[in-house]
Amino acid sequence: GNSVTQMEGPVTLSEEAFLTINCTYTATGYPSLFWYVQYPGEGLQLLLKATKADDKGSNKGFEATYRKETTSFHLEKGSVQVSDSAVYFCALSDLRGNNRLAFGKGNQVVVIP
Amino acid sequence: EAQVTQNPRYLITVTGKKLTVTCSQNMNHEYMSWYRQDPGLGLRQIYYSMNVEVTDKGDVPEGYKVSRKEKRNFPLILESPSPNQTSLYFCASSLKGASYEQYFGPGTRLTVT
Repeated sequence: GNSVTQMEGPVTLSEEAFLTINCTYTATGYPSLFWYVQYPGEGLQLLLKATKADDKGSNKGFEATYRKETTSFHLEKGSVQVSDSAVYFCALSDLRGNNRLAFGKGNQVVVIP
Repeated sequence: EAQVTQNPRYLITVTGKKLTVTCSQNMNHEYMSWYRQDPGLGLRQIYYSMNVEVTDKGDVPEGYKVSRKEKRNFPLILESPSPNQTSLYFCASSLKGASYEQYFGPGTRLTVT
């Protein structure tokens, strides 16, 4: 079945550092790919998405490119801020048509001033 | 304001005492879903609904029930809660279609003792 794998462990970095969170997926066909962000005490909200191969999603300085050849959707930001501290989830949509999102386990990102 | 609301936000209960967590959306979305979030496991889908009176099991449906009598509401029912259902629960809604963003509620933290 469909699945998403995120890199293990929390990510701690200093303000203005470069952030990368790896995400790879397994799916049949051409799923849509998403990054959701969860700020402390809140629900998830969409950060960005891409719906076909080679599409680049971007929002709030974050970017991710849908790479079919490597089945990846890595999240990047060039200069993080303390306010980017959150949990980031990679997800893909289910092609069976039930809208199901398959999530990775999430990465806690902590940005230190 | 477009939103998904859940109630209660926090609930502590005892084993076997039936409870209902309500979920409501004001965006006229056809699709609604329940997820549970557990440390190290990410989010897993419990049940989903593609429209009124249409519901189906997700990945972890055991011990839960749902109903969809109205388009805006999708309550989650625990007939006989057990400690392994202690978790953070999220309701989500979206338009039908794999590429659409899902909107999440703020979450309900349930503790079963």
